Amino acid sequence: AQTVTQSQPEMSVQEAETVTLSCTYDTSESDYYLFWYKQPPSRQMILVIRQEAYKQQNATENRFSVNFQKAAKSFSLKISDSQLGDAAMYFCAFQPRDDKIIFGKGTRLHILP
Amino acid sequence: EPEVTQTPSHQVTQMGQEVILRCVPISNHLYFYWYRQILGQKVEFLVSFYNNEISEKSEIFDDQFSVERPDGSNFTLKIRSTKLEDSAMYFCASTLQGAVNQPQHFGDGTRLSIL
Repeated sequence: AQTVTQSQPEMSVQEAETVTLSCTYDTSESDYYLFWYKQPPSRQMILVIRQEAYKQQNATENRFSVNFQKAAKSFSLKISDSQLGDAAMYFCAFQPRDDKIIFGKGTRLHILP
Repeated sequence: EPEVTQTPSHQVTQMGQEVILRCVPISNHLYFYWYRQILGQKVEFLVSFYNNEISEKSEIFDDQFSVERPDGSNFTLKIRSTKLEDSAMYFCASTLQGAVNQPQHFGDGTRLSIL
């Protein structure tokens, strides 16, 4: 079965510091997408960053970057210069070729002023 | 940028009643999805839809659920006889293609509360 595991239910980081959220996944597929979604209290699902499995280069979007280790099936999210607006639930997600997205249970990120 | 829109944002319904959640996918998208998120839990796939028929459905998507694309723009999720455990956030998503090279765009969700 294809699964996504986020081992950190909650994390806290000081404003302006850097934090890394962990994610591992299990699949026998070789071609797929990985995502990090942000869900603020309003409960919208906001795409933060996306990584194609066939690309070795790690994706970056401004203060957000990933460390994609395909062999280890690891996909961590690094948030640099954390801001109060980054406080949210973060979901790691995996999309294999049969196209439905599989989500992890989420990590709640608190930003400490 | 085009968006997936969902209405209503919050729906309150008595147990046993029928409810229809509406979604307007991005206009040139061809594949449509519904996901569900029970409060405090992860987002779960319900159903995918293409070419006016269901492509795949999860075990959650039982006979109480149905989907329809009644016209060229709306994509609806109907729950025939709601149960308390149907209370959740329901997300609609759409994508241009079903293959892996196109991301799914999510709507802002409909919060369904069953009393």
